[in-house]
Amino acid sequence: GQQLNQSPQSMFIQEGEDVSMNCTSSSIFNTWLWYKQDPGEGPVLLIALYKAGELTSNGRLTAQFGITRKDSFLNISASIPSDVGIYFCAGQETGANSKLTFGKGITLSVRP
Amino acid sequence: DVKVTQSSRYLVKRTGEKVFLECVQDMDHENMFWYRQDPGLGLRLIYFSYDVKMKEKGDIPEGYSVSREKKERFSLILESASTNQTSMYLCASSFWTGGGTGELFFGEGSRLTVL
Repeated sequence: GQQLNQSPQSMFIQEGEDVSMNCTSSSIFNTWLWYKQDPGEGPVLLIALYKAGELTSNGRLTAQFGITRKDSFLNISASIPSDVGIYFCAGQETGANSKLTFGKGITLSVRP
Repeated sequence: DVKVTQSSRYLVKRTGEKVFLECVQDMDHENMFWYRQDPGLGLRLIYFSYDVKMKEKGDIPEGYSVSREKKERFSLILESASTNQTSMYLCASSFWTGGGTGELFFGEGSRLTVL
């Protein structure tokens, strides 16, 4: 199956810093989702985006659906130690039977 | 709260054993999925189901089968476990929206080690 591009594979930041990560695709999507996975747990949905240009916040997290519909980004402001984990983007094309395509994830480390 | 429960968090099996991974969701979701997660490879779809007794192959179905006899339960079966099936297995479910599989809700994962 196709893949979304998420890079780099790992990011290291200092507590209190902001961090931005993006996700790109060669396909047009009608839905973008951002998940976070804590160590040893399943992914949890952070933010869902359904419209090109949409900007949505969830606490310190902000995500945007790119206007080309081929990308999305996630910002985390004022990072804290519990932000550590793997952040996955996922996109879905138009179609009744279309499935989510996941990026490979970015592992975020936060230094106290 | 949405709840997807996987029967075992950790399993250790021997090569050649038959392995059952069970998943139950309590949200009356139509869709259910099995993924495996490996370092550097992300989430890969093994099988999914849109309805009871229906199943479709995902991207990596070889060596696996599934069963969905009830709407709330989706089982992943490894007929003869092999060491390359050592992995984290994630079950997920979602509502049928008519516009694709939509937002997935994941279980906590089952970490399988095959010796």
